[in-house]
Amino acid sequence: QVTLKESGPVLVKPTETLTLTCAVSGFSLSNDRMGVTWIRQPPGGALEWLAHIFSNDEKSYLTSLKSRLTISRDTSKSQVVLSMTNMDPVDTATYYCVRGSSSSGFDYWGQGTLVTVSS
Amino acid sequence: SYELTQPPSVSVSPGQAANITCSGDNLDDKYTFWYHQKPGQSPVLVIYQDTKRPSGIPERFSGSNSGNTATLTISGTQAMDEADYYCQAWDYTTVVFGGGTKLTVL
Repeated sequence: QVTLKESGPVLVKPTETLTLTCAVSGFSLSNDRMGVTWIRQPPGGALEWLAHIFSNDEKSYLTSLKSRLTISRDTSKSQVVLSMTNMDPVDTATYYCVRGSSSSGFDYWGQGTLVTVSS
Repeated sequence: SYELTQPPSVSVSPGQAANITCSGDNLDDKYTFWYHQKPGQSPVLVIYQDTKRPSGIPERFSGSNSGNTATLTISGTQAMDEADYYCQAWDYTTVVFGGGTKLTVL
């Protein structure tokens, strides 16, 4: 059974760095032809893709946020980590960790974690 | 950067077919994926590779992709289909979502 679960702070202050962890189970981060992506959704807003880590450890980022984002993985812990620097209130959103590939789509989603940016 | 455009809203009567479009330059050169999202829930994949349905998705969901437009069709729309729908494609190694379409069944 494939599962993904996000964890991290629910509240961060402006200018701080957000670090979110995605714990995965039921598939391999390095051996399956699946990667893990982070997607966010502001309250009442649309889905916005942020970053993807491929099974070969290559990374891809949303161009407009590339300077602020870092995605990494720890295969021994079956975790994927997203860091976003210099947080701003406009970054308030539900952040989703999702399994997917360019052929299968995003087939398993975490429950999402709401992060609020406020002083 | 690549963009996908969806109508903000679509309305349909119960039992009728709903068509939700997604437009992008030469979109049929790419696979299109579709998700629905109900309030308070995570999105769910309903169509992948333009036309395929994941296990557990009802047969009334179908997809097509031709030219610059991909279309999600819900045949015999039910009240439970009321949700936000998003299209998605890969642009090389990056991912693009459409702005979403709110489907109202009334």
